[in-house]
Amino acid sequence: AAGVIQSPRHLIKEKRETATLKCYPIPRHDTVYWYQQGPGQDPQFLISFYEKMQSDKGSIPDRFSAQQFSDYHSELNMSSLELGDSALYFCASSRLTSGRVRDTQYFGPGTRLTVL
Amino acid sequence: GENVEQHPSTLSVQEGDSAVIKCTYSDSASNYFPWYKQELGKGPQLIIDIRSNVGEKKDQRIAVTLNKTAKHFSLHITETQPEDSAVYFCAAKQSPTNFGNEKLTFGTGTRLTIIP
Repeated sequence: AAGVIQSPRHLIKEKRETATLKCYPIPRHDTVYWYQQGPGQDPQFLISFYEKMQSDKGSIPDRFSAQQFSDYHSELNMSSLELGDSALYFCASSRLTSGRVRDTQYFGPGTRLTVL
Repeated sequence: GENVEQHPSTLSVQEGDSAVIKCTYSDSASNYFPWYKQELGKGPQLIIDIRSNVGEKKDQRIAVTLNKTAKHFSLHITETQPEDSAVYFCAAKQSPTNFGNEKLTFGTGTRLTIIP
């Protein structure tokens, strides 16, 4: 079965640079979520989009922005990168079920961002 | 906001024995409780989930129990195998999904090691 696709898988940037992470949800999924996972930590919710609208916002720094496009893929844009931004970034996707529920989130393989 | 506590942080069991991981949550509005398995360098993989209208759910060697009154839920893995070794995360969220309650709140994870 098709899964969530993330690119790139690895990214190395210098401090103060910018980075763009891409997420392609499972086909027919209309909602994407972004999570950040530091070393040895649990994933922390950043932001989510449903039908191109921001649907929830977590602990996302003001230096980060994201959007969802008409084909449902999403991009996370990160500017003025700091050493502390080094982490795994996961995208997850879900879809509305017949019971009007959109709970189950399927995660991609992640992008490992290293800021030097 | 929601707070999820998970215990133990590490667990070692002999192959063939059972493993139990426990989580508690704080927000009585949470109604959806998934469990994820994360192997090194990979994204979280959903292994089982339960909604609050159900007290127990089983899928082959994996079962989850939920006590909504006490706000705790547990993962049970029977007949453990070496490939069960991974980090396991519990999570909680409100359901059904509405704008503003999309996120999963994760526990801090349990590193499970199966000893051959």
